[in-house]
Amino acid sequence: EDKVVQSPLSLVVHEGDTVTLNCSYEVTNFRSLLWYKQEKKAPTFLFMLTSSGIEKKSGRLSSILDKKELFSILNITATQTGDSAIYLCAVDLIQGAQKLVFGQGTRLTINP
Amino acid sequence: NAGVMQNPRHLVRRRGQEARLRCSPMKGHSHVYWYRQLPEEGLKFMVYLQKENIIDESGMPKERFSAEFPKEGPSILRIQQVVRGDSAAYFCASSPVLSGSNEQFFGPGTRLTVL
Repeated sequence: EDKVVQSPLSLVVHEGDTVTLNCSYEVTNFRSLLWYKQEKKAPTFLFMLTSSGIEKKSGRLSSILDKKELFSILNITATQTGDSAIYLCAVDLIQGAQKLVFGQGTRLTINP
Repeated sequence: NAGVMQNPRHLVRRRGQEARLRCSPMKGHSHVYWYRQLPEEGLKFMVYLQKENIIDESGMPKERFSAEFPKEGPSILRIQQVVRGDSAAYFCASSPVLSGSNEQFFGPGTRLTVL
C-alpha cells in the first residue's frame, strides 16, 4: 500500500527559529512530491519536486528531495507567527488515474 | 481567474439526510478530485473525475457516496443517508489537462457536520 509519513506530527518553536519538516514515502510509480500549507481553509501549493538533489526556494522556505532514500525535507528559516499552519506532504503517482497520496501533516506553531 | 469554488462552506445535516457538495473547478481545468479530511488527519483521496467520466473512485466508500461531473455545471459529491462518521471537511481540487505534472489547486472545502 502506498504510504506517506510526516514527522514530527506537531512542532512548537519561537519566532526566529529555523525548522525542518520531514516527509518519507513508500510508493510504487513515483512521479513527484508536493508540499502544501494549510491554514484555516484550502491547502495552498508550496513546492513540487521531481528530481533528487535540486533545492527549490521561495523566500524563507526551501525544500529538497532524495529519491534514493525516499524522503523530502521542508525548511523554514527565521520563522514568523504567520508560518503557523499544518504543512502537508503529498506524493503524485504515475498510474492510469492521477491522485495525490497525502501524509498526515505536521502542525507547526510559532510563538512570538 | 477565480480559484476553485466550493459550496456550501458549512453544511449541517441530521442522520439519514442527504448531503450535496458542489465544486466548480478553476477556469480551463477539466480534472476534478475530491478529498476528505477527518480531524487531525491528512487528506484522503476519494474520487477523480473528468467531464462526464469517473476515472478513479478507489477512495470512495462503496455505499451511500457518489460523484459526478456533468458536461455543464459543477461537480457534485453526494452522500446519502449521512451518519455521524461522515462529519469531515471535504476538499475539491482541480488541475488542467495533464501535462506530465499534477499541481492540484484546492478549494476552501465544505465542512460537513452530521448531528
